[in-house]
Amino acid sequence: AQTVTQSQPEMSVQEAETVTLSCTYDTSESDYYLFWYKQPPSRQMILVIRQEAYKQQNATENRFSVNFQKAAKSFSLKISDSQLGDAAMYFCAYRSAKSGGGADGLTFGKGTHLIIQP
Amino acid sequence: DGGITQSPKYLFRKEGQNVTLSCEQNLNHDAMYWYRQDPGQGLRLIYYSQIVNDFQKGDIAEGYSVSREKKESFPLTVTSAQKNPTAFYLCASNREFANTGELFFGEGSRLTVL
Repeated sequence: AQTVTQSQPEMSVQEAETVTLSCTYDTSESDYYLFWYKQPPSRQMILVIRQEAYKQQNATENRFSVNFQKAAKSFSLKISDSQLGDAAMYFCAYRSAKSGGGADGLTFGKGTHLIIQP
Repeated sequence: DGGITQSPKYLFRKEGQNVTLSCEQNLNHDAMYWYRQDPGQGLRLIYYSQIVNDFQKGDIAEGYSVSREKKESFPLTVTSAQKNPTAFYLCASNREFANTGELFFGEGSRLTVL
């Protein structure tokens, strides 16, 4: 079974600074998807960024980017120019891309609580 | 607007009572999921359904039941057999075809046992 580990229960960053959230995962598969979701105080889960394992290029979405290290099974999220609205829980998630393998959805880490200091 | 609607947003239950959480989607998605969220635990899969009239147990299915009589609807019943039902419950659907890609989530339901 796949596991996802987020080793930082809480992180704090000054507004306008850069912060990196860590995520590692364990899998024997070679083809999969990785995601970062944001859960603000409203509790709505919002997709931040997505990475396909077969792509070597790191995904970026505006101020959000990832550092995907397939061999190390690491998938960190970098938030640049942090804003107050970035304060939330951030969850790393894994999904198999094997035929039929992703039927049971995503496997989530336990989350990192990101605090933005004004 | 297309999306997933969960209701009620807040629900209180007395011990020994069954309660049903509603999840409706108008996205025409085939696959739907129920997750439970507890503080410090992330999201854990309760049940999922790939097609109408078919569903599978997830990692923590004990004390829960589901049905999938319509493509749009995937209600979750929390039975009296669930020993610790107080939690936040999230319903999701598959955004892409054939079990790939990300999930699209509802706003969640908070269940509290009195």
